[in-house]
Amino acid sequence: AQTVTQSQPEMSVQEAETVTLSCTYDTSESNYYLFWYKQPPSRQMILVIRQEAYKQQNATENRFSVNFQKAAKSFSLKISDSQLGDTAMYFCAFTQGAQKLVFGQGTRLTINP
Amino acid sequence: ETGVTQSPTHLIKTRGQQVTLRCSSQSGHNTVSWYQQALGQGPQFIFQYYREEENGRGNFPPRFSGLQFPNYSSELNVNALELDDSALYLCASSLDRWSTDTQYFGPGTRLTVL
Repeated sequence: AQTVTQSQPEMSVQEAETVTLSCTYDTSESNYYLFWYKQPPSRQMILVIRQEAYKQQNATENRFSVNFQKAAKSFSLKISDSQLGDTAMYFCAFTQGAQKLVFGQGTRLTINP
Repeated sequence: ETGVTQSPTHLIKTRGQQVTLRCSSQSGHNTVSWYQQALGQGPQFIFQYYREEENGRGNFPPRFSGLQFPNYSSELNVNALELDDSALYLCASSLDRWSTDTQYFGPGTRLTVL
């Protein structure tokens, strides 16, 4: 089965701290793409970062970076210098087939002032 | 903002009714995908349309159907509504149908079935 598991339903940190969200996945595909999406209370799903599975180098986007361990099928998201605006649900996902996204259950992240 | 819009924002229907949800993709995006997000869950893939043809379907019954139009708009139709259809419905558009193309999501339509 093609699945994504996010083992942390909720996390809470203080502003400016660093936080890491965990994600593991299972796929039989040999080539795929991994994503972290953010869904704030406004509900709009926003792409945070993406990683091509064939690339060994971990993707980074400003304060956001990933730790991609292909053999372990692990794809964690690190948020550095967290900000109040980072408060949201975070979903890990990968593409199955051409473009079908398979999502995890999400992690609710709260940044406290 | 992703440039993808959806209407209406909220909708309340009763069991057995039919509903049409609308999505406007980014200009130039040939692919639209629809997802159902139940409360507290991650989105589930319903189907995808590429150049007005269905290009893949998830584990949803035939009463879920869609249309895509040449003007970058699309519809999700659900017949014979059931209570379990209550959810947030998201559309996502992308330039093409390949996994390399990022999907840009709309804000969703919250459907409540009573």
